[in-house]
Amino acid sequence: DAGVTQSPTHLIKTRGQQVTLRCSPKSGHDTVSWYQQALGQGPQFIFQYYEEEERQRGNFPDRFSGHQFPNYSSELNVNALLLGDSALYLCASSLPRGGGSTDTQYFGPGTRLTVL
Amino acid sequence: AQSVTQLGSHVSVSEGALVLLRCNYSSSVPPYLFWYVQYPNQGLQLLLKYTSAATLVKGINGFEAEFKKSETSFHLTKPSAHMSDAAEYFCAVGPSLTAGNKLTFGGGTRVLVKP
Repeated sequence: DAGVTQSPTHLIKTRGQQVTLRCSPKSGHDTVSWYQQALGQGPQFIFQYYEEEERQRGNFPDRFSGHQFPNYSSELNVNALLLGDSALYLCASSLPRGGGSTDTQYFGPGTRLTVL
Repeated sequence: AQSVTQLGSHVSVSEGALVLLRCNYSSSVPPYLFWYVQYPNQGLQLLLKYTSAATLVKGINGFEAEFKKSETSFHLTKPSAHMSDAAEYFCAVGPSLTAGNKLTFGGGTRVLVKP
């Protein structure tokens, strides 16, 4: 059973550039969440996608956008990169919430983004 | 709003000694609570979760956590530390009807195990 996969593993960009990160959810999962983990901090929620729509968004600017495809995989796009966007970007997949289910989120290995 | 506080950003224990990691949460509704572990240069791995069933939750690798509503705590313990337990541990709360589907994480506690 394949877990959550992310690509690329590492990425180096310069300020002002744009970046796209990719995520494939765990088999059987159809909900994808993205988190940003700055060095030495806990992960911060960016947004969640379900049924190809953004379901909930955290406190991140519009430079951060996403997409979910019919096969449930997802992309995170960041425009006009800033030095402060350097972080580990984590993708998590889960089953949709409903009926009081826990919908535990399972995380991928992350993409390490460095902005120079 | 939900929040999580992890007391102690770093904990050092001797191999074979008790591991105790503290987590306090704030939530306006009965919470779902989680502990995740992160090994260097890796993603987060679920250790255990509390979902309003038993207050003492057993997880993987010999870890367990106890939910105490009166203290709004969900501390993580392991009776005997192993070298392989060296990692960073994150406590998280959510999802809920009020906060939606996101997880809210604490700042993490890095565990160092001394031989």
